[in-house]
Amino acid sequence: KAGVTQTPRYLIKTRGQQVTLSCSPISGHRSVSWYQQTPGQGLQFLFEYFSETQRNKGNFPGRFSGRQFSNSRSEMNVSTLELGDSALYLCASSPDWMLETQYFGPGTRLLVL
Amino acid sequence: SQQGEEDPQALSIQEGENATMNCSYKTSINNLQWYRQNSGRGLVHLILIRSNEREKHSGRLRVTLDTSKKSSSLLITASRAADTASYFCATPPPGDSWGKLQFGAGTQVVVTP
Repeated sequence: KAGVTQTPRYLIKTRGQQVTLSCSPISGHRSVSWYQQTPGQGLQFLFEYFSETQRNKGNFPGRFSGRQFSNSRSEMNVSTLELGDSALYLCASSPDWMLETQYFGPGTRLLVL
Repeated sequence: SQQGEEDPQALSIQEGENATMNCSYKTSINNLQWYRQNSGRGLVHLILIRSNEREKHSGRLRVTLDTSKKSSSLLITASRAADTASYFCATPPPGDSWGKLQFGAGTQVVVTP
């Protein structure tokens, strides 16, 4: 099976812009979680989707949003980018029967100038 | 906020030596997981140990869990240069925690030939 894929892999944006990141989970996985990783804050949970429903959300401002499509692919959007949004954004998927273990994609590295 | 704290923050060893890193956590857990991350890329799941288990093995990896001390350790035996990576412990928070893992700050391991 193909692993979790994320596009794009690298992105440069300027403050005030918005960005959309995409994640395709492993085939058959219906749970998709998003994390932000920065040197200062480490790995922080953004949100989780299952069957197109957001079931859990981390402590991030409303500028961070996401959605999941019927094929389990997920997107996250960050509006009005700030310098502090520069980070590695990781997507992870889990099969229904084993939600505990997460399979991570390679990440999208976002740089906000 | 981070649930786990890894110790040490960094570890430098030579090939063939063993590497041991520890993780302490704050709240009760159902399971604890260890992940590896190579140079700012995606995380790879290594091993999951449940709260009713004390020790688990997977290849050259040995994980212990002491729930009375709220701590876990990861031992990599006969290390190789390819083991150079950051290692994170992660736990699902208590309660409704769909798809959410709380990660520690990580231990950076460098294995020199």
